[in-house]
Amino acid sequence: EDQVTQSPEALRLQEGESSSLNCSYTVSGLRGLFWYRQDPGKGPEFLFTLYSAGEEKEKERLKATLTKKESFLHITAPKPEDSATYLCAVRSGGGADGLTFGKGTHLIIQP
Amino acid sequence: DTAVSQTPKYLVTQMGNDKSIKCEQNLGHDTMYWYKQDSKKFLKIMFSYNNKELIINETVPNRFSPKSPDKAHLNLHINSLELGDSAVYFCASSQGLIFEQYFGPGTRLTVT
Repeated sequence: EDQVTQSPEALRLQEGESSSLNCSYTVSGLRGLFWYRQDPGKGPEFLFTLYSAGEEKEKERLKATLTKKESFLHITAPKPEDSATYLCAVRSGGGADGLTFGKGTHLIIQP
Repeated sequence: DTAVSQTPKYLVTQMGNDKSIKCEQNLGHDTMYWYKQDSKKFLKIMFSYNNKELIINETVPNRFSPKSPDKAHLNLHINSLELGDSAVYFCASSQGLIFEQYFGPGTRLTVT
């Protein structure tokens, strides 16, 4: 069974204080690792897809990286509007269904 | 333009009732999904449809049934609602199974 573990569960940073969120996964044949952002009362918003170890994607202050066992979401000089829950999900080739999500990291950026 | 839309946004009903949630996507995607997000905010796949054919069916009660009148719509019907069905239900769509999914705004279902 596919498993996704995200850490930390919650993270509070000062504006401009860079950090990283971790996503560890166990799948039978990774066919994509996805990062989403979810704001309160809204649906998950797609950020990145990574398909193979060594791959990196960037968007504004966010950068996602992938190894064979985990992915990191690096946040550089965050702003208060980056506050949200960040979700990691995997799609496997082993018959697992849909996306398997982690429980998310609740990120708060204080001004 | 809203890419994936759901109606209603809120649904409050009593135990034993039957209800439906509608979902529409205007992205031209060929695969649609239903997810359930429980009180702990954990998202779990329920169903997916690809080209009008059910291809995934998680171990959900058979009181839940997805119905797709066409490729752009995937509705969720729930019979004999129970207290434990209270959650936020999200519809999503993608082009193929391995590409990114785009989510709707969610329907908060409260069963009293």
